[in-house]
Amino acid sequence: EAQVTQNPRYLITVTGKKLTVTCSQNMNHEYMSWYRQDPGLGLRQIYYSMNVEVTDKGDVPEGYKVSRKEKRNFPLILESPSPNQTSLYFCASTPGPEVKTQYFGPGTRLLVL
Amino acid sequence: GEDVEQSLFLSVREGDSSVINCTYTDSSSTYLYWYKQEPGAGLQLLTYIFSNMDMKQDQRLTVLLNKKDKHLSLRIADTQTGDSAIYFCARAGNNRKLIWGLGTSLAVNP
Repeated sequence: EAQVTQNPRYLITVTGKKLTVTCSQNMNHEYMSWYRQDPGLGLRQIYYSMNVEVTDKGDVPEGYKVSRKEKRNFPLILESPSPNQTSLYFCASTPGPEVKTQYFGPGTRLLVL
Repeated sequence: GEDVEQSLFLSVREGDSSVINCTYTDSSSTYLYWYKQEPGAGLQLLTYIFSNMDMKQDQRLTVLLNKKDKHLSLRIADTQTGDSAIYFCARAGNNRKLIWGLGTSLAVNP
């Protein structure tokens, strides 16, 4: 089954404790991205990757890092999480140059205390 | 104002048609999308329309695009309680980024 998976689905952590949210897709898609969803602000792109070893900042990259060492995986790293990073995070992937469809993961709900 | 705008709430009776509207400012987008998000769930692509089309129909869903007015609408025929969700309008931006509206919360009353 074609899908985007994220782990963990729910996470409670404390300020400053490094964490990684994994994202994996089994569709051999080139393009992957991370969004965060916040009430009243909608979905905002954090980082995206056009292909292996090619990543770039989205609209709200501060406090986040990503890596793309292999095509299927695109982890989101919070080196020193802060409470303002409490949010719902979505990973997405797209097959080709045209954004005909963007497949989303199920979301990761993060609470930073 | 925001790049993609939607009204925040819509309430309909079960069996009626729902029409969710969206306006956008950048006419260069090639694709426009409707996504559905049910409570506690992820984002599900409902349908999309290419910018050279005026209308697209898929079962109970009808998408209308007015490029001149930069207006997109989603009509759900025979709305059911299972259609209660947040509906997001989005357009394709640069670098395959999606630019999103804030979502319209649809409540279907029995």
